[in-house]
Amino acid sequence: QQPVQSPQAVILREGEDAVINCSSSKALYSVHWYRQKHGEAPVFLMILLKGGEQKGHEKISASFNEKKQQSSLYLTASQLSYSGTYFCGTGPLEELQFGAGTQVVVTP
Amino acid sequence: DAGVIQSPRHEVTEMGQEVTLRCKPISGHDYLFWYRQTMMRGLELLIYFNNNVPIDDSGMPEDRFSAKMPNASFSTLKIQPSEPRDSAVYFCASSFSSSNEKLFFGSGTQLSVL
Repeated sequence: QQPVQSPQAVILREGEDAVINCSSSKALYSVHWYRQKHGEAPVFLMILLKGGEQKGHEKISASFNEKKQQSSLYLTASQLSYSGTYFCGTGPLEELQFGAGTQVVVTP
Repeated sequence: DAGVIQSPRHEVTEMGQEVTLRCKPISGHDYLFWYRQTMMRGLELLIYFNNNVPIDDSGMPEDRFSAKMPNASFSTLKIQPSEPRDSAVYFCASSFSSSNEKLFFGSGTQLSVL
């Protein structure tokens, strides 16, 4: 079952914050986050393995609420380089299901 | 390491032709995955290999699709015959193990079937 991401797209000015949500109808044991820039391959950002776990990559952090079966990605003080499409992936690596993606555009 | 290497980067072919996409995983990685990305369906897992053995090909859309991994450093995805609806970006990814490891994606092959 594909996880559901929201919002579909977000436009930010440099320095602003944003939150991307990822929810699943199935129990979650781990959540992957990837970023894909236009015309490029997805690049791994982080993986959260336990409920309540939070991680960070630059000023991008994520939380994982096992009970609510959802994860959130936080873009703090966004930079131009944060532009791209963000995907969450759920399930074991062999059956990783990706969400439809959230397009993030950061403007000067 | 050079990362996951895919070829060609772009492929334009006519309907009915055979298409072969190639992938060289990162040395030492024992998992290899083939994904397809389209606007309509997003990123879909087609097939994955563990130690060169195909484990799950349930994502392969039809018998027209086949994949092989003759050795640890090379895999192919073949479409025969190709159809316009096969047009997509095909990614190969590799991983060291399945224990919550990350995927390393290749640059992808943009396939256009006319």
